[in-house]
Amino acid sequence: EPEVTQTPSHQVTQMGQEVILRCVPISNHLYFYWYRQILGQKVEFLVSFYNNEISEKSEIFDDQFSVERPDGSNFTLKIRSTKLEDSAMYFCATWAGQGVNQPQHFGDGTRLSIL
Amino acid sequence: KQEVTQIPAALSVPEGENLVLNCSFTDSAIYNLQWFRQDPGKGLTSLLLIQSSQREQTSGRLNASLDKSSGRSTLYIAASQPGDSATYLCAVYTDKLIFGTGTRLQVFP
Repeated sequence: EPEVTQTPSHQVTQMGQEVILRCVPISNHLYFYWYRQILGQKVEFLVSFYNNEISEKSEIFDDQFSVERPDGSNFTLKIRSTKLEDSAMYFCATWAGQGVNQPQHFGDGTRLSIL
Repeated sequence: KQEVTQIPAALSVPEGENLVLNCSFTDSAIYNLQWFRQDPGKGLTSLLLIQSSQREQTSGRLNASLDKSSGRSTLYIAASQPGDSATYLCAVYTDKLIFGTGTRLQVFP
C-alpha cells in the first residue's frame, strides 16, 4: 500500500534555528496537511495545502511557519526561528480528494526537539 | 467551535473482553468520522472511516457506529488481544481533521 514518507524521523535543534521537515506524499494525492502533537496532548491541525497554495491555517501557524512544494514532489514545513514550545511530533497527511469516503493518510511523523 | 471528546481516557482489560470506546463531538456538521490507532512514538494508522450518511462500518474485529444527530460515535473491539494495546483516536472531518484526546488501551494476557 502506498505510504506517506517523512524525514527526518527525529530532529534536534537549538532554539532560534531554522528547521525544515520533509514529506513525500502518495503520488496521486492532491491535498496536503501538517498536524502536530505536543507530548501528551491532542493532535492539532496546522495547515492545509492544495493547488500550490495554503487552503486553511490554524492560529498556531503564525509567521514563523511556512509550507511549500518546491519540486512537485516533496511537501515541506519550515519553522524559521524555533522556540522551545515548538517541540512536538509533526505529522504530514495527504488525501486523494476524490470523495469524503477516502481517508487521509499519515506519515510516521518527525519528532522535533528544541533545546 | 468543534470539540471532540473521548472517554474513557484509559482502559486496562484482560485478553478476550469486548470493548467499547466512546467519542463525542459538539457540531454535527461533519463529512466523516475516522478512528485511528497510535502506537507509542509512532504515526497514525487509519482503522475505520464512517461517512456522515452512514451508521456503521466494520473491519474484522472492529465495528464503529455513528449517530451524527447526537454527536456520538463508538468503536467496538471484539475479543480483545494484547496486540490491540495502543491509543485510539477519533477525529471528525470538516475541511480538516479535528482530533479527540484519545483512549489509551492496555490488554493484558
